[in-house]
Amino acid sequence: GQQVMQIPQYQHVQEGEDFTTYCNSSTTLSNIQWYKQRPGGHPVFLIQLVKSGEVKKQKRLTFQFGEAKKNSSLHITATQTTDVGTYFCAGAYGNKLVFGAGTILRVKS
Amino acid sequence: DSGVTQTPKHLITATGQRVTLRCSPRSGDLSVYWYQQSLDQGLQFLIQYYNGEERAKGNILERFSAQQFPDLHSELNLSSLELGDSALYFCASSVEGTGAQAFFGQGTRLTVV
Repeated sequence: GQQVMQIPQYQHVQEGEDFTTYCNSSTTLSNIQWYKQRPGGHPVFLIQLVKSGEVKKQKRLTFQFGEAKKNSSLHITATQTTDVGTYFCAGAYGNKLVFGAGTILRVKS
Repeated sequence: DSGVTQTPKHLITATGQRVTLRCSPRSGDLSVYWYQQSLDQGLQFLIQYYNGEERAKGNILERFSAQQFPDLHSELNLSSLELGDSALYFCASSVEGTGAQAFFGQGTRLTVV
């Protein structure tokens, strides 16, 4: 079935360092979404990418959708302690929204 | 507040028992998703309903079932519970069933003892 692979599983960075998480699908996606889950919280929608090669920015966060619409990345510049949490990508396959395993980000100040 | 309501927030039950988790979607949302999140794990897609009908199925065990009612609220039934069923169960809703942005509830933490 449809599966979204996400790496790395875990990343621990020093405050101020950059962070990137990657998602990959074996089949073409209708769109890809990114969510953030704070410790003890629920996933919260960040952004949706629909077009091939699309790049969107939200302050220090940059989201990219691959040309083949099979992969995506989230890059955070100069991480802050408020960035801690788990970042999930979610691939839309028609009716289904399939989440990657998530990347747990820890930031050391 | 996402507008999605899940009850109860916490549930402790014994092995072999049956429980029902309830979800009220955001006003106007027709699609409801159920996900299971085990400790420090990702979100496992269980099932999706759209306007009362099952739309997509994931890795949902035969012991689990769900339905969406005419008022669009949904229930997830878990039976013959095992220790491994202990997890956080999230409900999410979206306007459509075609991969639109999902809004998550606070989740129900199920502990099977």
